[in-house]
Amino acid sequence: DVKVTQSSRYLVKRTGEKVFLECVQDMDHENMFWYRQDPGLGLRLIYFSYDVKMKEKGDIPEGYSVSREKKERFSLILESASTNQTSMYLCAIGTGSIAYEQYFGPGTRLTVT
Amino acid sequence: RKEVEQDPGPFNVPEGATVAFNCTYSNSASQSFFWYRQDCRKEPKLLMSVYSSGNEDGRFTAQLNRASQYISLLIRDSKLSDSATYLCVVNSGAGSYQLTFGKGTKLSVIP
Repeated sequence: DVKVTQSSRYLVKRTGEKVFLECVQDMDHENMFWYRQDPGLGLRLIYFSYDVKMKEKGDIPEGYSVSREKKERFSLILESASTNQTSMYLCAIGTGSIAYEQYFGPGTRLTVT
Repeated sequence: RKEVEQDPGPFNVPEGATVAFNCTYSNSASQSFFWYRQDCRKEPKLLMSVYSSGNEDGRFTAQLNRASQYISLLIRDSKLSDSATYLCVVNSGAGSYQLTFGKGTKLSVIP
């Protein structure tokens, strides 16, 4: 079974703080993704990575950056948290098979006050 | 803009009923198709992949019509535990590892 873990289930931060969300996989998969999910807007892709030190912008990268120094770990960084970044953040890994399916971590519910 | 459209519901059905969800996608280059299930305040989980020939997994049947860019999910003999939001998902183009998610259809199975 694919296992994806995220550093926190719930997080409360203040406006202007730098926030790190971490995602770790236990397999050797190249593709990792960060999404946010908001009511009425569905899942939106923030950033993704095909390999160590490689990153690509998704649909909504503004206000975020990412880091992938090791294959198993993909971090999402909010440089200066704002209230409109209050959301559910979901990390996923892609198995890279022909079917392109993705498997998600349990999510981090971030509240910025 | 490449999108996936679903009826948001909610679909409220009695136990034992058959229910069908439909979805349309706009990117004709999409090659991979999925249904995910998401329980309240949980992460999406892969329910099944969808193949051109149609595929079945127990009470669940998925169909794909490439010509009409249409995907369906049929659930037979609904259980209370089927209550969830069902997300229609397609890959974002030929050879793309990115997925485009529909906003989901909410199902409530009532006793």
